[in-house]
Amino acid sequence: EAGVTQFPSHSVIEKGQTVTLRCDPISGHDNLYWYRRVMGKEIKFLLHFVKESKQDESGMPNNRFLAERTGGTYSTLKVQPAELEDSGVYFCASSRDRLSHEQFFGPGTRLTVL
Amino acid sequence: DAKTTQPPSMDCAEGRAANLPCNHSTISGNEYVYWYRQIHSQGPQYIIHGLKNNETNEMASLIITEDRKSSTLILPHATLRDTAVYYCIVRAYLTAGNKLTFGGGTRVLVKP
Repeated sequence: EAGVTQFPSHSVIEKGQTVTLRCDPISGHDNLYWYRRVMGKEIKFLLHFVKESKQDESGMPNNRFLAERTGGTYSTLKVQPAELEDSGVYFCASSRDRLSHEQFFGPGTRLTVL
Repeated sequence: DAKTTQPPSMDCAEGRAANLPCNHSTISGNEYVYWYRQIHSQGPQYIIHGLKNNETNEMASLIITEDRKSSTLILPHATLRDTAVYYCIVRAYLTAGNKLTFGGGTRVLVKP
C-alpha cells in the first residue's frame, strides 16, 4: 500500500510568487490534514478535510492560504502571494475515518521563499 | 487538548532500553496519550497510543500512571535508527476534532 505522497519535495520561490503544494493521501482515507513547521517553531496544524469538506480550518494563518480537496481525493495547498515567513516544511497526513487513532504523514514539502 | 511536558533531549546507548517521560497533569478523562516521532527529514510517524492501560506494539511500550498524569514511552532495544524527536501528544478522541498538537518533543540520540 502506497503511503502519503507530497509534491514537490522542495520548492524555492521569490516573495510575491504563488506556489501550489499537492498531497495524495493513502487510498480510501477520508481524512486529510495539513500541518507545517516554520523555522525554529513547532509543527502546527493548518486544516482538516473530511472527504471534500473542510472540517476544521482553524490553523490557517491568513487568507493567502487556500486549501482544496476536489472530489475528496488529493488535496492542494496554494500560497498566494508567498511571504518570507511562509518558509518551512509543509506536511500532509491522512487517516481512514473519524474513528482512526493513527495519522499517516507524508515526507513533507520544504518551501523556501526568498 | 491538555498540555504536555517533555525533557528537551536525552541520550541512549544502542541496545539498551530508552525510557521517555511525559507529563500531562491536566489530562481529561476522554483524552488519549499519543506518541509520534520524527526522524530527520521525514514526516512524523505514529508509534503508539493509550487511554488508561499500558499498551505494547511492535515498536514500543506505553506505560500510563494510574492517575494518568504522566506516561513513559519505552523503546525496549534502541537502535541507531531510533534517533529522532519524540512527541507526546494528548488529544480528546472523537469530541474535539482530530488535529494533533505538537510540542517541542524530546530529541533522542542513540549512541553506539
